[in-house]
Amino acid sequence: EAQVTQNPRYLITVTGKKLTVTCSQNMNHEYMSWYRQDPGLGLRQIYYSMNVEVTDKGDVPEGYKVSRKEKRNFPLILESPSPNQTSLYFCASSFRTTGTKNIQYFGAGTRLSVL
Amino acid sequence: AQSVTQPDIHITVSEGASLELRCNYSYGATPYLFWYVQSPGQGLQLLLKYFSGDTLVQGIKGFEAEFKRSQSSFNLRKPSVHWSDAAEYFCAVGAKRSGGYQKVTFGIGTKLQVIP
Repeated sequence: EAQVTQNPRYLITVTGKKLTVTCSQNMNHEYMSWYRQDPGLGLRQIYYSMNVEVTDKGDVPEGYKVSRKEKRNFPLILESPSPNQTSLYFCASSFRTTGTKNIQYFGAGTRLSVL
Repeated sequence: AQSVTQPDIHITVSEGASLELRCNYSYGATPYLFWYVQSPGQGLQLLLKYFSGDTLVQGIKGFEAEFKRSQSSFNLRKPSVHWSDAAEYFCAVGAKRSGGYQKVTFGIGTKLQVIP
């Protein structure tokens, strides 16, 4: 089954304690992306990756890091989480080509609370 | 830069009534347009998309949307709403970037409540 898998689904942590949210896709997609969803703000892109070892900032990258060492995985790293990073996070993937194949598939989300 | 406006944050409709969710976009060229649905506690599911061609697009679950270039709109419609349609709906616009990358910008969402 084609899917984007995020782990963990729920996470409560404290300020400053490094954490990683994993994302894995099994569709051989080149493009992967992280979004955060906040009430009244919709989804905002944090980082994206067009292929292995190619990443770039989205609209709200501050406080986050990513890496893309393998095509299927795109972890989101919070080196020193702060309460304003409490949010619902989504990973998405798609083929890189523009056009009808460029449809993003989303993971189920990770709800993060930073105390 | 592209942007999306969903002017209605909450909408309540009766089961069986018709539905229209509004979406306006801003983009200099022909956009790619999407509607996604998010059920409580779930990820986003694509309802339908517009890339080119026929401006009336059919999607899953009985939804359709019409692209109107003159009004910069891509409104979502359903003739008869079911209780299971209660969810949050996101309109999104995609724009080509260099390297084959398509940046997708989402609206803030419209929460649909369905009453018996």
